[in-house]
Amino acid sequence: NAGVTQTPKFQVLKTGQSMTLQCAQDMNHEYMSWYRQDPGMGLRLIHYSVGAGITDQGEVPNGYNVSRSTTEDFPLRLLSAAPSQTSVYFCASGSRGVNTEAFFGQGTRLTVV
Amino acid sequence: DAKTTQPPSMDCAEGRAANLPCNHSTISGNEYVYWYRQIHSQGPQYIIHGLKNNETNEMASLIITEDRKSSTLILPHATLRDTAVYYCIVRVGGATNKLIFGTGTLLAVQP
Repeated sequence: NAGVTQTPKFQVLKTGQSMTLQCAQDMNHEYMSWYRQDPGMGLRLIHYSVGAGITDQGEVPNGYNVSRSTTEDFPLRLLSAAPSQTSVYFCASGSRGVNTEAFFGQGTRLTVV
Repeated sequence: DAKTTQPPSMDCAEGRAANLPCNHSTISGNEYVYWYRQIHSQGPQYIIHGLKNNETNEMASLIITEDRKSSTLILPHATLRDTAVYYCIVRVGGATNKLIFGTGTLLAVQP
């Protein structure tokens, strides 16, 4: 199993550009989430989804859009990148149930100049 | 969600047990204690979780006090590869899509 796959691993954007961070999982998980991690800090939740067609906002949703058209994919869109969005982005997936865990991708390191 | 408090850093000698504390004094009855770790900016990795009983798996043991206001993650024989940031998270069971991370404890295993 590939698990949770994020692409690209690294990206440099200019202020005002748009881009989509890709996240795919092959474990048939209902839950998927996006987090950002700034230097010296823990992860902060951006958006999450409990299933195809259902998304909701996390702690820091401003400047980001998401959609969930399939169970496998959960892309994160930056419509107009800003330097404050320079961060490492992690995607995670998990299944329903009490005794479950979240599986994380290896991250996308984004720099906005 | 209940707030957690962890020491910012700890040291441990290689081969010795590492005991990482976490305070969660406002935990509710339906909230679980989860532990994740993050090795050198990789994606976080699940370690263990529990509700009120002590738990053990191949990676670690989790000791939860009887009043559930605190817990300890135990790595029985720490190795250099266990050097990482360890996060204690309190969450309603099953809500793995909405984990709220604090700043965690940086465990440095010394040779």
